[in-house]
Amino acid sequence: AQSVTQPDIHITVSEGASLELRCNYSYGATPYLFWYVQSPGQGLQLLLKYFSGDTLVQGIKGFEAEFKRSQSSFNLRKPSVHWSDAAEYFCAVDPLYGTSYGKLTFGQGTILTVHP
Amino acid sequence: KAGVTQTPRYLIKTRGQQVTLSCSPISGHRSVSWYQQTPGQGLQFLFEYFSETQRNKGNFPGRFSGRQFSNSRSEMNVSTLELGDSALYLCASSLDVGSGGELFFGEGSRLTVL
Repeated sequence: AQSVTQPDIHITVSEGASLELRCNYSYGATPYLFWYVQSPGQGLQLLLKYFSGDTLVQGIKGFEAEFKRSQSSFNLRKPSVHWSDAAEYFCAVDPLYGTSYGKLTFGQGTILTVHP
Repeated sequence: KAGVTQTPRYLIKTRGQQVTLSCSPISGHRSVSWYQQTPGQGLQFLFEYFSETQRNKGNFPGRFSGRQFSNSRSEMNVSTLELGDSALYLCASSLDVGSGGELFFGEGSRLTVL
């Protein structure tokens, strides 16, 4: 079945440490890929997106993600986490390449806690 | 440029009542989508509107409906509320097909059904 999986429900890191959040997808072809972040009580903000081309994508707030076709993964990374990065992170896919008419499929989310 | 605006931000209803939520998209965005977010089910797509027409619909009962006005503002309505309808309802806007599927979300309307 087509799906998006975020294996880690909750991750805790220390401020200044590096971060990697995992995302795996199961689709016949590589879909459009997105990472969104949701701070408590807020809506979702797009961090970055991958359509094609360079497999390392740079986003806002110092985040980057690497697309690996062989592993069907699109993992989000940040070299040094700040306390303000504490939030919930969602991986999302659009399997219809921009023609899904608003319907993205989201993973279950990963909650990031940052210790001082 | 102003972002996506949703009203009201919080509301409490009782079972059996109905509720209407409003969404104003980013200026120039003509596509408006609605999502329901709950701890158990995560983010689930409700429907999408473009030029006052529903183009896509998720797997929700007919109690959930929506509409879009000529100025692209959208409303969604839930009739005969059930306890399980308690959720954060998120509206998102986008330019349209060809814009890469990127959605811009509002802060949501948190509905509590008692």
